[in-house]
Amino acid sequence: DIVMTQSPDSLAVSLGERATINCKSSQSVFHSSKNKYSLAWYQQKPGQPPKLLIYWASTRESGVPDRFSGSGSGTDFTLSISSLEAEDVAVYYCQQYRSTPNNFGQGTRLEIK
Amino acid sequence: EVQLLESGGGSVQPGGSLRLSCAPSGFTFSNYAMSWVRQAPGKGLEWVAAIIGSGDNTYYADSVKGRSTISRDNSKSTLYLQINSLRAEDTAVYYCAKEGELAYSGYFDLWGRGTLVTVSS
Repeated sequence: DIVMTQSPDSLAVSLGERATINCKSSQSVFHSSKNKYSLAWYQQKPGQPPKLLIYWASTRESGVPDRFSGSGSGTDFTLSISSLEAEDVAVYYCQQYRSTPNNFGQGTRLEIK
Repeated sequence: EVQLLESGGGSVQPGGSLRLSCAPSGFTFSNYAMSWVRQAPGKGLEWVAAIIGSGDNTYYADSVKGRSTISRDNSKSTLYLQINSLRAEDTAVYYCAKEGELAYSGYFDLWGRGTLVTVSS
């Protein structure tokens, strides 16, 4: 199984500042036939289901603000929020879908400093 | 409106069984693989099972393999998850999730609001 490890577990950032969340996979999640990394990011606010933000490591889902971006390669990936807004307070999860089980990271709680 | 609506959760004793259902709307159900993902109270997300659009192939997490069955009825546009021999550690909100692409990939672009399963004596 591919294990996903996020860092940090929690993060406090000032409004307008940049937030960066890291995700590391225990083995490569590169999908050779698609030439892409099988890595997604989700946002979950209290009492709500997760919401897809990023897929294929760097493709932003339709309707997601462009302050959210995904990057990375190999086994190391990053979700960045360029200028934090109050509505971004949430728990963020990465997920690999290269092979089943399609494991999630443990989550990173993002708060306002 | 594109949405997923889960039902069938509730309180059950250890060793019991439940069948969860998910009713989609707003998209062609049979075209997409579907999954169940669960979240224990205060915990993270755990992928549970997946089924491709035709229903011919299914996949399970080790934690439920052998005592769970994911299935779908495309004529009724309904997804199911049968869980047997329920344990306390199965207590969670169970989400139905839609595959993000027509060809099975494994990320989810649409989630239901979830149904709570509580296993307790």
